[in-house]
Amino acid sequence: EVQLLESGGGLVQPGGSLRLSCAASGFTFSTYAMSWVRQAPGKGLEWISSITESGGSTYYADSMKGRFTISRDNSRSTLYLQMNSLRAEDTAVYYCAKTRLGISSYFDYWGQGTLVTVSS
Amino acid sequence: SYELTQPPSVSVSPGQTARITCSGDALPKKYAYWYQQKSGQAPVLVIYEDNKRPSGIPERFSGSSSGTMATLTISGAQVEDEADYYCYSTDSSGNHWVFGGGTKLTVL
Repeated sequence: EVQLLESGGGLVQPGGSLRLSCAASGFTFSTYAMSWVRQAPGKGLEWISSITESGGSTYYADSMKGRFTISRDNSRSTLYLQMNSLRAEDTAVYYCAKTRLGISSYFDYWGQGTLVTVSS
Repeated sequence: SYELTQPPSVSVSPGQTARITCSGDALPKKYAYWYQQKSGQAPVLVIYEDNKRPSGIPERFSGSSSGTMATLTISGAQVEDEADYYCYSTDSSGNHWVFGGGTKLTVL
């Protein structure tokens, strides 16, 4: 059974940094791309970033480039999201998702999410 | 930037057919995907590559795509199908991965 467990969320001040983690199990982590998707309170889903199986290629939504960095450690089956210069509008539930790359890449399994609150 | 457009809400009575649409300029070339999100839960994939159903998803869920519009159909909607539904796809370049704004399905 695929399991994705996010952690690292919490309250952070504007301008601060946070690193999210996603521990994966139930599948061979190193053979799948992974992604982060977020959802602001009461709002829709927003793709943030994706990373290939080896970590050799990364992709970002235009609005996230430069502040967010995706990475992975295949030896630990863990996905990361480093978030810097956080703003109030980054307040959201952050989900990690197992990703299928292809003609149209998509997310086939999601974690339960971790809440990030940016506030003073 | 690329956009997928969904109606904000759809309402049906139990047993009726619910149809949720999603329009996007790149849909003739790119697959549409559908996610169900119940209150307080993570999204679940219910349709992939326009019309394929993952294992464990009830047969009453189906998908279709024609031209610039994709449609999620729930035949014989049940109360437990009440949720937000999001379509998802990419733009023609494949560089922008986009969700529709979501449709709240009410079954009562």
